[in-house]
Amino acid sequence: DTGVSQNPRHKITKRGQNVTFRCDPISEHNRLYWYRQTLGQGPEFLTYFQNEAQLEKSRLLSDRFSAERPKGSFSTLEIQRTEQGDSAMYLCASPTDQSSNTDTQYFGPGTRLTVL
Amino acid sequence: EDKVVQSPLSLVVHEGDTVTLNCSYEVTNFRSLLWYKQEKKAPTFLFMLTSSGIEKKSGRLSSILDKKELFSILNITATQTGDSAVYLCAVVIQGAQKLVFGQGTRLTINP
Repeated sequence: DTGVSQNPRHKITKRGQNVTFRCDPISEHNRLYWYRQTLGQGPEFLTYFQNEAQLEKSRLLSDRFSAERPKGSFSTLEIQRTEQGDSAMYLCASPTDQSSNTDTQYFGPGTRLTVL
Repeated sequence: EDKVVQSPLSLVVHEGDTVTLNCSYEVTNFRSLLWYKQEKKAPTFLFMLTSSGIEKKSGRLSSILDKKELFSILNITATQTGDSAVYLCAVVIQGAQKLVFGQGTRLTINP
């Protein structure tokens, strides 16, 4: 157990619906990352927070995607008007300690999204 | 564009064999390189490498980084069926310290 939790673990939705995922990182760490992993591929970076500030977003993050981290603790990732191509595992990651030099990211169990 | 390439993509060996997994990278702002193991769940951390030529070891697994030739290898000796997994290599990029992953090597150990 890495100490990073994600909810829900699985989500099945119909095309066009909105979905929201939650990540609770290792407590008190200032950096939090979202990645997306499709079948047979490595995870791809989506976005990154330092405290409550969203500092970088990938080009993969279309305007249907939005992420927040209110108060610099948990984070949410929302996908509006889902498409079948959004089906993937959504992973949240966080380093373990407060050092800004800690490169190792520990992953939560992920949310598997299936869009029908 | 930052790129990480792993080879082979798939490998099937017998229990007891030794395997070497490869990871090469082309990135603009290298900070460090990480190896992860992924079974049917999220990736779990194995090693972090920052300096060339210094081997990291954990039991039967070991890894080394060559920053001049831009690659890393992961060795597993005396493989066991429990080593069957996808092994992911990721480069940490300066600044955001985000991870750029390779596509992974699927390792299957047959009894």
